[in-house]
Amino acid sequence: NAGVTQTPKFQVLKTGQSMTLQCAQDMNHEYMSWYRQDPGMGLRLIHYSVGAGITDQGEVPNGYNVSRSTTEDFPLRLLSAAPSQTSVYFCASSYSIDYEQYFGPGTRLTVT
Amino acid sequence: GESVGLHLPTLSVQEGDNSIINCAYSNSASDYFIWYKQESGKGPQFIIDIRSNMDKRQGQRVTVLLNKTVKHLSLQIAATQPGDSAVYFCAEPSGSNDYKLSFGAGTTVTVRA
Repeated sequence: NAGVTQTPKFQVLKTGQSMTLQCAQDMNHEYMSWYRQDPGMGLRLIHYSVGAGITDQGEVPNGYNVSRSTTEDFPLRLLSAAPSQTSVYFCASSYSIDYEQYFGPGTRLTVT
Repeated sequence: GESVGLHLPTLSVQEGDNSIINCAYSNSASDYFIWYKQESGKGPQFIIDIRSNMDKRQGQRVTVLLNKTVKHLSLQIAATQPGDSAVYFCAEPSGSNDYKLSFGAGTTVTVRA
């Protein structure tokens, strides 16, 4: 199993540009989520999904969209990038609600 | 509101000594706590979890203690090794949804040779 994969590893955007961060898992996990991690802070939940076709907002959803058309994939879209979205983004998946979450390697995003 | 926090942002430990990392939480209704380890440049990795009906749980070289009276949990690492150098996070469910985890800011553990 590859586990949770994320692409790209690094990305630089200009303010106002849009892009999609990709996340995929091959463990047939129902639950997937996106977090951002900023210096000196823990991970903050952006959006999550409890299954294909079902998504919900986390703690900091503004400026981000998600969709879950398949069990495997959970892309995160930045519609109009802002410098405040400069962060490291992690995708995670788990088998069920109270099972451990497996994290991807992260995407380091810089918005200038 | 609910919050999860760690007492100290950094911890320096001599190789071979035991490490103790502390975490305070404010949501007395939380029934599940998790510890994650994050090495430099990598995603967080699950270490151990504990449910609120337990006071202690042991894993391989790690022990988590939960004190519900003072809303405190700790992670103990026995015989700390260089590979234990990382940032450690405690996390708890945010509100009534167990899947929405709330993370503390993390403690950076540095192991001295």
